[in-house]
Amino acid sequence: GEDVEQSLFLSVREGDSSVINCTYTDSSSTYLYWYKQEPGAGLQLLTYIFSNMDMKQDQRLTVLLNKKDKHLSLRIADTQTGDSAIYFCAESRRDSSASKIIFGSGTRLSIRP
Amino acid sequence: EAGVAQSPRYKIIEKRQSVAFWCNPISGHATLYWYQQILGQGPKLLIQFQNNGVVDDSQLPKDRFSAERLKGVDSTLKIQPAKLEDSAVYLCASRLTQGSEQFFGPGTRLTVL
Repeated sequence: GEDVEQSLFLSVREGDSSVINCTYTDSSSTYLYWYKQEPGAGLQLLTYIFSNMDMKQDQRLTVLLNKKDKHLSLRIADTQTGDSAIYFCAESRRDSSASKIIFGSGTRLSIRP
Repeated sequence: EAGVAQSPRYKIIEKRQSVAFWCNPISGHATLYWYQQILGQGPKLLIQFQNNGVVDDSQLPKDRFSAERLKGVDSTLKIQPAKLEDSAVYLCASRLTQGSEQFFGPGTRLTVL
């Protein structure tokens, strides 16, 4: 995950919005992803955005993409205790052989009552 | 629909011992991935299979790691001999086609003492 960077921790109050930020390096990435990982579980795809989009909204989730700055953010509205998890930003990258997904180190989201 | 299955869920071995992990992808998924996730980091791709052929193994430490997918369905990942730094969660993922969603298994947590 050395090419995709995220802050390590975020703490928010229940009911507030959470904003998790990410920067990536490959301007040719076609898809950018947000994955959620709960303790002891595998990764679950939360949402993704195609690189020609600026914004995508899906219920409580809003993804913003600034392609010029290679900045991606995930906003979770009305954050609930069930949103406590590690959130991974990831970019797709294609070389001559295959496409692969490069992950950031993850942001641990904790919810305060 | 059954998800990606992995076994064992946990494994503790001593350094220099051998270990093998098993993955059963979602039925019909041609592409299979093995990732290594060290504590506090994002998953790092080790190897990618398309059916029973290797597409990308550039990040696989081939002096000690090996993987196979002989019939294009199940896959095994082996470490021989293990080192302390191999302690990690080993995640298997599969996808139907290029560009479709990757589904992750729950992972195998390996501890090398």
